[in-house]
Amino acid sequence: GQQVMQIPQYQHVQEGEDFTTYCNSSTTLSNIQWYKQRPGGHPVFLIQLVKSGEVKKQKRLTFQFGEAKKNSSLHITATQTTDVGTYFCAGPLYSGYALNFGKGTSLLVTP
Amino acid sequence: DSGVTQTPKHLITATGQRVTLRCSPRSGDLSVYWYQQSLDQGLQFLIQYYNGEERAKGNILERFSAQQFPDLHSELNLSSLELGDSALYFCASSDGTDPGYTFGSGTRLTVV
Repeated sequence: GQQVMQIPQYQHVQEGEDFTTYCNSSTTLSNIQWYKQRPGGHPVFLIQLVKSGEVKKQKRLTFQFGEAKKNSSLHITATQTTDVGTYFCAGPLYSGYALNFGKGTSLLVTP
Repeated sequence: DSGVTQTPKHLITATGQRVTLRCSPRSGDLSVYWYQQSLDQGLQFLIQYYNGEERAKGNILERFSAQQFPDLHSELNLSSLELGDSALYFCASSDGTDPGYTFGSGTRLTVV
């Protein structure tokens, strides 16, 4: 079945450093979504990418969808302590919108 | 408040018991999804309902079942509980048009 893998599993950075998490799917995806889960919280939807090679920005966050639509990345420029949390990518599992989540990348930012 | 309501927030029960988790989706959302989150397995998709009907099934055990009622709230029933069933159970909803799920705050189940 379809698998979505994320690396790294953990990342610890100093505040102000950049951070990147990578997502790879075993199959071509129609779209990919990114979520953020703060410690003790629930996943919150960040963005959806649909087109091959698509790049979207949200302030310091840059999201990319690969040309083959099998991989994606999230890059955070100049991390802040508010960026702490686990970032998940997710791809459609079935045509009925059910999502298959990667295991996430946990980001720790120290001041 | 995300608009998705899950009750109870915490549940402690013994092995072999049965529990029911409840979810009220965001107003207007017809789809409800159930996910299990454990430390080593991440977010595992269990089951999806759309407007009262089962739409997709994931890694849901036979001891688990769910349903969606006419008012669109959903219940996840877990029976013959085992220690390994201890996890966070999230409900999410979507309207099927706008991208993304809205997650509830989850139910933390502890089986002792």
